Amino acid sequence: DGGITQSPKYLFRKEGQNVTLSCEQNLNHDAMYWYRQDPGQGLRLIYYSQIVNDFQKGDIAEGYSVSREKKESFPLTVTSAQKNPTAFYLCASNPLGQGGQPQHFGDGTRLSIL
Amino acid sequence: GIQVEQSPPDLILQEGANSTLRCNFSDSVNNLQWFHQNPWGQLINLFYIPSGTKQNGRLSATTVATERYSLLYISSSQTTDSGVYFCAVAGTTDSWGKLQFGAGTQVVVTP
Repeated sequence: DGGITQSPKYLFRKEGQNVTLSCEQNLNHDAMYWYRQDPGQGLRLIYYSQIVNDFQKGDIAEGYSVSREKKESFPLTVTSAQKNPTAFYLCASNPLGQGGQPQHFGDGTRLSIL
Repeated sequence: GIQVEQSPPDLILQEGANSTLRCNFSDSVNNLQWFHQNPWGQLINLFYIPSGTKQNGRLSATTVATERYSLLYISSSQTTDSGVYFCAVAGTTDSWGKLQFGAGTQVVVTP
């Protein structure tokens, strides 16, 4: 079945450590997105990418980095510079075209600090 | 950027009741989506509705783009409808189609 796969579902980070969250899609979508959700709040955009080898900062990019080497993959690295990384991270994708296109979401990764 | 306001913030319903959730937005949109986030955190697409009216079972949605609001109707609510409902929009001036999320409406349906 087509969809978006995020892994792992749960991740623990030690102080000073970088961790990478995986997002893979087999929907042949052009655009991919990373969002962060804190408890009791809506989602906020971290990074997004329209095409391979190109990506843009969202509203809260500090302390995060991404890459887009393949159309189907958009990994997110939470660096040690992100001082409050505990959150729920969601990846999304959509096709591009004139007008808007609905975004589809993966099941998320919960990141906690040890 | 575009602002999104959802109301009410919290809603408690008895099973079988009907309810209406509202989403106001501050600018023209070319994408408006309603999502249901279940207790496990999964974000379920309910509707893609930048304008017009759609129905899916007990749920329906209406977006009046000219007046910049959208409504989500839940009829004959069930306990499985509990969770957080999010409205998210992308403005027409944003060629990237980035979604801006509202703060959500927390719905609790009691037996």
